[in-house]
Amino acid sequence: EAGVVQSPRYKIIEKKQPVAFWCNPISGHNTLYWYRQNLGQGPELLIRYENEEAVDDSQLPKDRFSAERLKGVDSTLKIQPAELGDSAVYLCASSLDVGSDTQYFGPGTRLTVL
Amino acid sequence: GENVEQHPSTLSVQEGDSAVIKCTYSDSASNYFPWYKQELGKRPQLIIDIRSNVGEKKDQRIAVTLNKTAKHFSLHITETQPEDSAVYFCAASKGNAGKSTFGDGTTLTVKP
Repeated sequence: EAGVVQSPRYKIIEKKQPVAFWCNPISGHNTLYWYRQNLGQGPELLIRYENEEAVDDSQLPKDRFSAERLKGVDSTLKIQPAELGDSAVYLCASSLDVGSDTQYFGPGTRLTVL
Repeated sequence: GENVEQHPSTLSVQEGDSAVIKCTYSDSASNYFPWYKQELGKRPQLIIDIRSNVGEKKDQRIAVTLNKTAKHFSLHITETQPEDSAVYFCAASKGNAGKSTFGDGTTLTVKP
């Protein structure tokens, strides 16, 4: 069984440029999470989806971040415009459903904003 | 919201020794406590978890204990090996609510 897939693995951009990250969860997993992990810290939740509905986006900086999960499968996280402080690893995770606690993480996208 | 504190931030042990990492949480409603291992440049991987109706869980060399009254839980690794070297994260969540709050991680180094 394939795990959570993310692309790209690395991205370097100039500040003020847009950037997008893509995530494909484990097949059959209804719950999808986007986390941001700063160096030396634990993952911090940005947004959680149940199927195509965003049920927890309280930590998402909505002025520049947006996310979508069309059809309740793949998801895209976008930053526009990027700032220097956005440099981090962006992790996607999925779990079977809201009643299943175990989250499976993707390899992450390492974003560097210059 | 939930606040999770993890100690120590770094831990160095000799191969064969035991390692203990401790976490405290603030929200008494949290009922699911996973531990993740993250090797350099790789994804966090679940190594063990415990639910609030259990006080201890063991899987080979790894064990987790939970004290609900004190709101703390610990990871115990016995007979450490160099391949145990990694960053370990604890987390606390309210189960069905799905959201996990992570500690800041412990960098474990096992010296051969």
